[in-house]
Amino acid sequence: QVQMQESGPGLVKPSETLSLTCTVSGDSIDSKIHYWTWIRQVPGKGLEWIGYIHYSGGTYYNPSLESRVSMSRDMSKNEFSLQLSSVTAADTAVYYCARDGLTTYAFDIWGHGTMVIVSS
Amino acid sequence: VLTQSPATLSLSPGERATLSCRASQNVATYLAWYQQKAGQAPRLLISEASTRATGIPTRFSGSGSGTDFTLTISSLEPEDFAVYFCHQRSDWPYTFGQGSKLEI
Repeated sequence: QVQMQESGPGLVKPSETLSLTCTVSGDSIDSKIHYWTWIRQVPGKGLEWIGYIHYSGGTYYNPSLESRVSMSRDMSKNEFSLQLSSVTAADTAVYYCARDGLTTYAFDIWGHGTMVIVSS
Repeated sequence: VLTQSPATLSLSPGERATLSCRASQNVATYLAWYQQKAGQAPRLLISEASTRATGIPTRFSGSGSGTDFTLTISSLEPEDFAVYFCHQRSDWPYTFGQGSKLEI
């Protein structure tokens, strides 16, 4: 059974960098048929796709966030990470990691999500 | 842009629910539906417009192609009352609809 779990600080100061990690179990982030994705949701609002990283380390980011986003992976720990720089209150959201199935054309596995508040 | 309607749908258990998602441009069948309950992550229901995900009950069905899509729940169970999102992956960046709330 594939499981994904986000971890990281729940409070980040404005202008600082938000850093989250997603630990995957039951699947390998080395998989060639999945992209490993970050999605966020402002409470009570819709979902925003942030970007993905795939087995080769290649990344693709939402243009609206591209200048501030960076993703990386640690194959030895089977985890991948998100960094979002120069955060503001508008970045306050629940952050989800998810598996993007290239054969299902959908996000088929999600983490539980972690709430990140940007505040001084 | 994905536009979902209605924003809120009030129904009773046993009734049929029909939710709509309209895309601003052709997304072929690269459209998925998710269910989200309060305090939980979204759950994949339907991919490629009409393919039920593993473990999803047969009362959930999806249809459509191009710009107009529908999620139908044939006979509502109490656990179906939630928010439903559509999602397109035909074009970058991937986007989601704003959600439809299905309430009792």
